[in-house]
Amino acid sequence: TQLLEQSPQFLSIQEGENLTVYCNSSSVFSSLQWYRQEPGEGPVLLVTVVTGGEVKKLKRLTFQFGDARKDSSLHITAAQPGDTGLYLCAGDRTQGGSEKLVFGKGTKLTVNP
Amino acid sequence: KAGVTQTPRYLIKTRGQQVTLSCSPISGHRSVSWYQQTPGQGLQFLFEYFSETQRNKGNFPGRFSGRQFSNSRSEMNVSTLELGDSALYLCASRRWTGGFDEQFFGPGTRLTVL
Repeated sequence: TQLLEQSPQFLSIQEGENLTVYCNSSSVFSSLQWYRQEPGEGPVLLVTVVTGGEVKKLKRLTFQFGDARKDSSLHITAAQPGDTGLYLCAGDRTQGGSEKLVFGKGTKLTVNP
Repeated sequence: KAGVTQTPRYLIKTRGQQVTLSCSPISGHRSVSWYQQTPGQGLQFLFEYFSETQRNKGNFPGRFSGRQFSNSRSEMNVSTLELGDSALYLCASRRWTGGFDEQFFGPGTRLTVL
């Protein structure tokens, strides 16, 4: 069972469209990170959200942490081809487990010109 | 400040061989984690080292091992390679930032086992 579920798994849209990616869990996290990864490269940290209900904006990207700190969303406004990549969420567990950061399987986003 | 570096970037081996991958964390970071990434399984945690000690370990067989040196550089070793070990191996260094951890990844080593 995947601790962090990301949806959708794949998303193909046209340039200029808006989209939202979701990251859900039944576990509580002390913080949650979003990464973007391009083929053949390592994930690049985009943002860390810490407080329940927190909203952070990074240019056209808006990140939200759920009130209960169990879920998060990433919204992209007016997507551009440069946004193409694999978006990963990672939750920092508050207790237990052999791994401190647990990753979702990712959402593969393709933005067509 | 230089980022996380990993060497080599690409590696081709045959079944039964062994391989050693290297990772240099961001200067000042003392924690290094290793992950295996495959299309089917996503990112899977291998182990974490902090101040030369293994702090956490994922569910991988004993063929996968690692170590960390006094300068925080880390190596990962895989013995008796299997076809299923083909993957992107990622190293990440961690920093504690005012109440929460952040991880920064290297570019990875693409291992192909033939």
